[in-house]
Amino acid sequence: AQTVTQSQPEMSVQEAETVTLSCTYDTSESDYYLFWYKQPPSRQMILVIRQEAYKQQNATENRFSVNFQKAAKSFSLKISDSQLGDAAMYFCAYRSSPWGGGADGLTFGKGTHLIIQP
Amino acid sequence: DSGVTQTPKHLITATGQRVTLRCSPRSGDLSVYWYQQSLDQGLQFLIHYYNGEERAKGNILERFSAQQFPDLHSELNLSSLELGDSALYFCASSAGGASPNEQFFGPGTRLTVL
Repeated sequence: AQTVTQSQPEMSVQEAETVTLSCTYDTSESDYYLFWYKQPPSRQMILVIRQEAYKQQNATENRFSVNFQKAAKSFSLKISDSQLGDAAMYFCAYRSSPWGGGADGLTFGKGTHLIIQP
Repeated sequence: DSGVTQTPKHLITATGQRVTLRCSPRSGDLSVYWYQQSLDQGLQFLIHYYNGEERAKGNILERFSAQQFPDLHSELNLSSLELGDSALYFCASSAGGASPNEQFFGPGTRLTVL
């Protein structure tokens, strides 16, 4: 079974600064997908960014980018120019590739609580 | 707004009771996933239905069951409720099939067991 580990229960950053959230995972599969989800106080789960394991290029979405290190099984999220609206719980998640027949849902880490200091 | 609806938003019940949570996926989505978020266990995948058929089971207790109806809405049934079943229950939908489509999450149902 796959596991996802987020070793930082809480992170704090000044507004406009850059912060990196860490995530490591364990899997024996070669094809899979990784995600970062944001959960603000409203509890809504919002997809921030996703990465396909077969792609070497790191995904970016505006101020959000990832550092995907497949050999190290590491998938960190960098948030640039942090804004007050970025304050939330951030969850790293893993999903087996459906191409291999995987139909399981997402496996989530425990989350990192991101605080933005004004 | 993700387009996924869940009812009710809040549910308060007693131990030993049975409840049904409802989920309507986004228009056109064939897959529905159920997740449980609790302080103890974090976010856990429970079960996945695709076009009316069960596709995968996660950490779902035997006291819990789900189904997906012909109109693609899904229900999660929780019976013989225990205090530890208090949690936020999400459903998520995706287009499904053999493609890594994004899962869109509903707003969740907050279940409190007293």
